[in-house]
Amino acid sequence: NAGVMQNPRHLVRRRGQEARLRCSPMKGHSHVYWYRQLPEEGLKFMVYLQKENIIDESGMPKERFSAEFPKEGPSILRIQQVVRGDSAAYFCASSRQSGTGSDEQFFGPGTRLTVL
Amino acid sequence: AQTVTQSQPEMSVQEAETVTLSCTYDTSESDYYLFWYKQPPSRQMILVIRQEAYKQQNATENRFSVNFQKAAKSFSLKISDSQLGDAAMYFCAYSGGYQKVTFGIGTKLQVIP
Repeated sequence: NAGVMQNPRHLVRRRGQEARLRCSPMKGHSHVYWYRQLPEEGLKFMVYLQKENIIDESGMPKERFSAEFPKEGPSILRIQQVVRGDSAAYFCASSRQSGTGSDEQFFGPGTRLTVL
Repeated sequence: AQTVTQSQPEMSVQEAETVTLSCTYDTSESDYYLFWYKQPPSRQMILVIRQEAYKQQNATENRFSVNFQKAAKSFSLKISDSQLGDAAMYFCAYSGGYQKVTFGIGTKLQVIP
């Protein structure tokens, strides 16, 4: 059973370009979470999605950032017009179901975004 | 809002010795979960141990155990018989009503041979 997969593992973009980060949850998992880790910091929650629904996007910047989890295919975190401050590691996690913290989140290996 | 505080930016321990990493949190919820995650240089997040707030018994996983003090909102991690492979960043984390996880800023653990 493959774990959470993220690609690309490393992404380099110039200021003003778009970044697309992909996350394939574990088989049987329908809940996806995106976190951002800035250098020397812990992970910060960005957005929580179920299939075709955004449940909580309270941690996601209002501008330039968007996320989706379509019925088919991976979850996508999209950053438009990237700036140097977007450079970070972006982690995706998935769980089978939500409702309580008893359902463990499994983390992917992360995508390290570097904005030049 | 829930917060998680780790007041030790770095810790070191001699191989085979025991080390305790501290964590405090703040919440108004009565039902929640607490976690310790390990992040080695590969940056993969690995769940080390989990504690349900409604359980009084402290969780243990082999060489890893916690001291959960609910009234004091304290959740420390004890690593016994430390090994070189334990060297990593350790993050304390909290999850409440649904699974949004709040992380502390981490403690860097160095294991000295």
